[in-house]
Amino acid sequence: DSGVTQTPKHLITATGQRVTLRCSPRSGDLSVYWYQQSLDQGLQFLIQYYNGEERAKGNILERFSAQQFPDLHSELNLSSLELGDSALYFCASSPPFFGGDQETQYFGPGTRLLVL
Amino acid sequence: LAKTTQPISMDSYEGQEVNITCSHNNIATNDYITWYQQFPSQGPRFIIQGYKTKVTNEVASLFIPADRKSSTLSLPRVSLSDTAVYYCLVGVMDTGRRALTFGSGTRLQVQP
Repeated sequence: DSGVTQTPKHLITATGQRVTLRCSPRSGDLSVYWYQQSLDQGLQFLIQYYNGEERAKGNILERFSAQQFPDLHSELNLSSLELGDSALYFCASSPPFFGGDQETQYFGPGTRLLVL
Repeated sequence: LAKTTQPISMDSYEGQEVNITCSHNNIATNDYITWYQQFPSQGPRFIIQGYKTKVTNEVASLFIPADRKSSTLSLPRVSLSDTAVYYCLVGVMDTGRRALTFGSGTRLQVQP
C-alpha cells in the first residue's frame, strides 16, 4: 500500500458525460500527478500540481481539467467523454523537494474508467 | 516531444542478471531518472532513481552514462516474482515547458 488513495475504483459511464476522479496524496506530500494508461498508449503524463499550483503539464486534453485543493487532495475532471477516454487513471504523489527535479512518486491503485 | 524508448520485451531465467536500457535523449538538465515496476491492474512501484553514474539499492542498480541520454536498470538474480513491466520516467523540456514522460515499458518474463 503506497498511502495514495483514489476513488472510485471503477467507473462506468456513457459518451458525452462528465466524471470526477479523486486522489488523496500521502501524508506530507505536496505534489500530485495524474496519468492515463490505456492499452495502446502506455502511461501518459497529464498534469502535476505542487502545493496547489500547476507545475508541469503533459498532453492533457482541453476536455480534461484538474485542481489541487488547500487540503492537498486533487480532482481530475473529464468532460464530454468519448469511447477513447476509457483507461486506467493513476494519481501519484511525491514529498517536497528542493533544488533539481528529483521526485520519487508513489502511485495509487488507479481508477478504471469505462465509457460506453 | 522526443520519445523515451525501451525494448518491448525481454525473457530471462531465474537467477540470471537482467539489464533493461532506456533511451531518453531529451532529458531536462536538472531531472533525475526513475524506474518503476508495474504488475497487472496495479499502480507503478518505485524501484530506483539516479542523476548520473551509478546508484545501487537493495533490489537493483542503475547505470547512467556521462551524457545522460540513456540509462540501464540492472536486476541481479531475477526470480519468478520479477515478471512485470518495467518503465523509466524522466522529465523533458517540451517547447520551453517541463513535462514528464514514461518510457514505452519493457515486459520482462522470467522463466523457471
